[in-house]
Amino acid sequence: ETGVTQSPTHLIKTRGQQVTLRCSSQSGHNTVSWYQQALGQGPQFIFQYYREEENGRGNFPPRFSGLQFPNYSSELNVNALELDDSALYLCASSFPGTGELFFGEGSRLTVL
Amino acid sequence: GENVEQHPSTLSVQEGDSAVIKCTYSDSASNYFPWYKQELGKRPQLIIDIRSNVGEKKDQRIAVTLNKTAKHFSLHITETQPEDSAVYFCAASEDTGFQKLVFGTGTRLLVSP
Repeated sequence: ETGVTQSPTHLIKTRGQQVTLRCSSQSGHNTVSWYQQALGQGPQFIFQYYREEENGRGNFPPRFSGLQFPNYSSELNVNALELDDSALYLCASSFPGTGELFFGEGSRLTVL
Repeated sequence: GENVEQHPSTLSVQEGDSAVIKCTYSDSASNYFPWYKQELGKRPQLIIDIRSNVGEKKDQRIAVTLNKTAKHFSLHITETQPEDSAVYFCAASEDTGFQKLVFGTGTRLLVSP
């Protein structure tokens, strides 16, 4: 059984640029969530995808968007990057109703 | 919306001592309370969880207690070991299948040999 994998692991962007982060969910999991973890803070919920539809969103602006593909993998896109977007972005997969989230190792984004 | 507060922010204990981390939540609709352990540079990993239909759950050296009336829950680690050193996060959510977890700010636990 493969776990949640994310790419890239690290990346550096400048203000105003766009970034795409990728996530492959754990085998058998059809729900993917994205979280933003700023340094020294707990993860904050961005949104969740189930059956290729966004079915829940946290307090993040529309420039944060996502996709889920038929194989349940997912992308997080962030447009018009700001300095405060610098953080660890965590993807988590789960099976509906089980509660437990399985996190990937994250993508660490630095915005200069 | 839900707000989760976690204390203390840092906790230092000697190997073999017990450690207790406490969290409070605000939304009475929350009924699922997991605890995650995050080692430096690693992913958060679930160590124990509890649902509102029980007051206590134990797994070897780790236990979680829940007081729904007071809206607080706690993590108890007994016989701490150096490998328990990590950041621990509590979280809360409505266990509806829509798994939006609201996390606390974390507790850095340091276990000294």
